Amino acid sequence: EAQVTQNPRYLITVTGKKLTVTCSQNMNHEYMSWYRQDPGLGLRQIYYSMNVEVTDKGDVPEGYKVSRKEKRNFPLILESPSPNQTSLYFCASSSTLRDRGNSPLHFGNGTRLTVT
Amino acid sequence: DAKTTQPNSMESNEEEPVHLPCNHSTISGTDYIHWYRQLPSQGPEYVIHGLTSNVNNRMASLAIAEDRKSSTLILHRATLRDAAVYYCILGLTSGTYKYIFGTGTRLKVLA
Repeated sequence: EAQVTQNPRYLITVTGKKLTVTCSQNMNHEYMSWYRQDPGLGLRQIYYSMNVEVTDKGDVPEGYKVSRKEKRNFPLILESPSPNQTSLYFCASSSTLRDRGNSPLHFGNGTRLTVT
Repeated sequence: DAKTTQPNSMESNEEEPVHLPCNHSTISGTDYIHWYRQLPSQGPEYVIHGLTSNVNNRMASLAIAEDRKSSTLILHRATLRDAAVYYCILGLTSGTYKYIFGTGTRLKVLA
């Protein structure tokens, strides 16, 4: 089954303790992206990647890192989490074989992160 | 900057058609219009997308205004399982590779 898998689904941590949220897709998609979803603000893009070793900042990259060493994986790293990073996070992927903007996004089921 | 505007919430009776509007007056000539829906505790799910012409699939229809400044997602017969938040999104075709999300419309379906 074609899917985007995020782990963990829920994570509670303390300020400053490094964490990684994993994202993996099995559709051989070139494009992968991370979003955070906050009440009243909708989904905002954190980072995206066009392919292996190619990443770029989205709208809210501060406090986050990503890497794309393999096509299927795109982990989100919070080196020193803070309470304002408490949010619901989604990973998504899409093919870039068609024109930009013309491919549906496939989302994972989300990771709810709480930083105390 | 490109953006989409949707009503915060709408209600519909079960088995009646639903028309969900979206305004995207800042759309560029080549940006794609997507619709996704998000059920509770799930990630957004693709519904439909298009560029200029109206589009149909098994889930819904997408009607795009002639000037492309607005669009309407049409659910032909709403069911209780269609209760969700519906997002109108722009797939940008220039600049940063991104999709612009609005804040969505929460659809309530009444039995």
